[in-house]
Amino acid sequence: GENVEQHPSTLSVQEGDSAVIKCTYSDSASNYFPWYKQELGKGPQLIIDIRSNVGEKKDQRIAVTLNKTAKHFSLHITETQPEDSAVYFCAASGYSTLTFGKGTMLLVSP
Amino acid sequence: DVKVTQSSRYLVKRTGEKVFLECVQDMDHENMFWYRQDPGLGLRLIYFSYDVKMKEKGDIPEGYSVSREKKERFSLILESASTNQTSMYLCASSLSGGLGTSYNEQFFGPGTRLTVL
Repeated sequence: GENVEQHPSTLSVQEGDSAVIKCTYSDSASNYFPWYKQELGKGPQLIIDIRSNVGEKKDQRIAVTLNKTAKHFSLHITETQPEDSAVYFCAASGYSTLTFGKGTMLLVSP
Repeated sequence: DVKVTQSSRYLVKRTGEKVFLECVQDMDHENMFWYRQDPGLGLRLIYFSYDVKMKEKGDIPEGYSVSREKKERFSLILESASTNQTSMYLCASSLSGGLGTSYNEQFFGPGTRLTVL
């Protein structure tokens, strides 16, 4: 089955800095890669996703890049704000189910 | 807004008890999922369902069963709770995708933190 590795497990940045979270996947058949954000006491919420026919996607301060050859994808957050502090999960999917990474706790200090 | 509700935020049970976790969604989604979330292990899929009365095993189904008698409701059952089932349980739902069950956004409930003593 699919295996998704996510790094780093924790990331501390100063407000205004950029943050990058990286994931690798094992199944070359995977073609859908969402990112979820989980705030304290809440369930995860989709923030951005990318499909394998696209190399990069942006939504305001958030961007995701995909390298299918190397089987890795990354989340980039620019101009971080304290409200970006949360746990972020990457995931990969082929046909049936999502396989999630273990999560990255992002801490943005004012 | 899509709303996924779970019957309890916190639950404490004894070893050997039968435990029911209920999940209800209000957006007529075909797909529903149960995950458990443990520190350092991320989200792991227990069971999912793509239609009423249909169920499929996820990555860690041992010790669990599920029931989906109505489209909006998906129940997770621990037949005989054990201490290693102490965890956060998350329910999610999504629309059916033409090419598979996972291509659409999953909407998560707030979770049930279950403690088995």
